Amino acid sequence: QKEVEQNSGPLSVPEGAIASLNCTYSDRGSQSFFWYRQYSGKSPELIMFIYSNGDKEDGRFTAQLNKASQYVSLLIRDSQPSDSATYLCAVIRSGNQFYFGTGTSLTVIP
Amino acid sequence: DAGVIQSPRHEVTEMGQEVTLRCKPISGHDYLFWYRQTMMRGLELLIYFNNNVPIDDSGMPEDRFSAKMPNASFSTLKIQPSEPRDSAVYFCASSGQVYTEAFFGQGTRLTVV
Repeated sequence: QKEVEQNSGPLSVPEGAIASLNCTYSDRGSQSFFWYRQYSGKSPELIMFIYSNGDKEDGRFTAQLNKASQYVSLLIRDSQPSDSATYLCAVIRSGNQFYFGTGTSLTVIP
Repeated sequence: DAGVIQSPRHEVTEMGQEVTLRCKPISGHDYLFWYRQTMMRGLELLIYFNNNVPIDDSGMPEDRFSAKMPNASFSTLKIQPSEPRDSAVYFCASSGQVYTEAFFGQGTRLTVV
């Protein structure tokens, strides 16, 4: 079983719609949860982090964490073509082991 | 701060040759990670260091791979001998505290022919 699982997509949404990205993780002892965005040919860059159960909002982005279900999600409201990228879910296990999912490719159609 | 700096940005080498990738973490960061990214397997954690000490190298694929961190500002990932299946983008990342975000370098695209 992989540490972090994501639907690879591709996910396509029209401009202005809500994009929903999902991630599950295997280790119940995981401490911290991150969403990174990676444009083609570039390095991953942090969008959001979440440590506690519930929702965390930052502008058009909302991260949701449910530790009981071992589930993390990212909602992107009012999606823009510039949001087209691969989104990587990352989880830190005990011991600071930083694991990434394989990513979900998102395309926002103008 | 200039961020995490990796060199070279691109490396093309022949099978059997030794390859050394270099990384300078963000100053003051205690954690350094080496990742390999391929289309098939995504971002794989190879090894990470805390205060220059290797903590977990279980992701290193084979004995051909080795990593060192001789001081807080420099780390190397070496592949000897290199093989075509080692072709990938190798990222170095650093973080300042436990359980906090990692910042990535620009990566080294390695091609072994």
